[in-house]
Amino acid sequence: GQNIDQPTEMTATEGAIVQINCTYQTSGFNGLFWYQQHAGEAPTFLSYNVLDGLEEKGRFSSFLSRSKGYSYLLLKELQMKDSASYLCAGTSGTGGFKTIFGAGTRLFVKA
Amino acid sequence: DADVTQTPRNRITKTGKRIMLECSQTKGHDRMYWYRQDPGLGLRLIYYSFDVKDINKGEISDGYSVSRQAQAKFSLSLESAIPNQTALYFCATSQGGTSGDTQYFGPGTRLTVL
Repeated sequence: GQNIDQPTEMTATEGAIVQINCTYQTSGFNGLFWYQQHAGEAPTFLSYNVLDGLEEKGRFSSFLSRSKGYSYLLLKELQMKDSASYLCAGTSGTGGFKTIFGAGTRLFVKA
Repeated sequence: DADVTQTPRNRITKTGKRIMLECSQTKGHDRMYWYRQDPGLGLRLIYYSFDVKDINKGEISDGYSVSRQAQAKFSLSLESAIPNQTALYFCATSQGGTSGDTQYFGPGTRLTVL
């Protein structure tokens, strides 16, 4: 079966660190995406992990454990503009052609 | 200019009407997708196309049809709109390939069916 689970909402404080978790069950798993989506706007690409481990990209890092079916997105030095939904998406098949999106985690950053 | 555009951006229609949502892209990608997004359900795939001659159903294709008029254009039709098709609709494109398949989304069409 195909399933992506992530928390519905999280709240964090400006300047802090927040970790958004995602667990997945995807047959023929290829890799895992994180997208950011501000309210009423299009999702935009944040990261893609295909190998186990942590990939860092500025204030954002993404981690993948293929054996555990687990990923997280780590946001450091939170800013108000980071208030958005974060979508976890698993891909499968050749060239990652099948993508299953989670429902998204709404992050609220408070002052 | 935006790489992926959708028209219209907002549409209010009545039950039973035929509606067409259009998507155009200048990214030169072969792959195009239509999704709908509902609160709490995330993005769900309606149809996808890997090239002009290729059309595939997604997980929720009932009540929808598509047309791939050219590499750059992919339209979604609701033949007879019903209220539970009220949602935010996104078109997306991707390059394909073996190193992941990042999708690039249009700005969305907010459709309300009364």
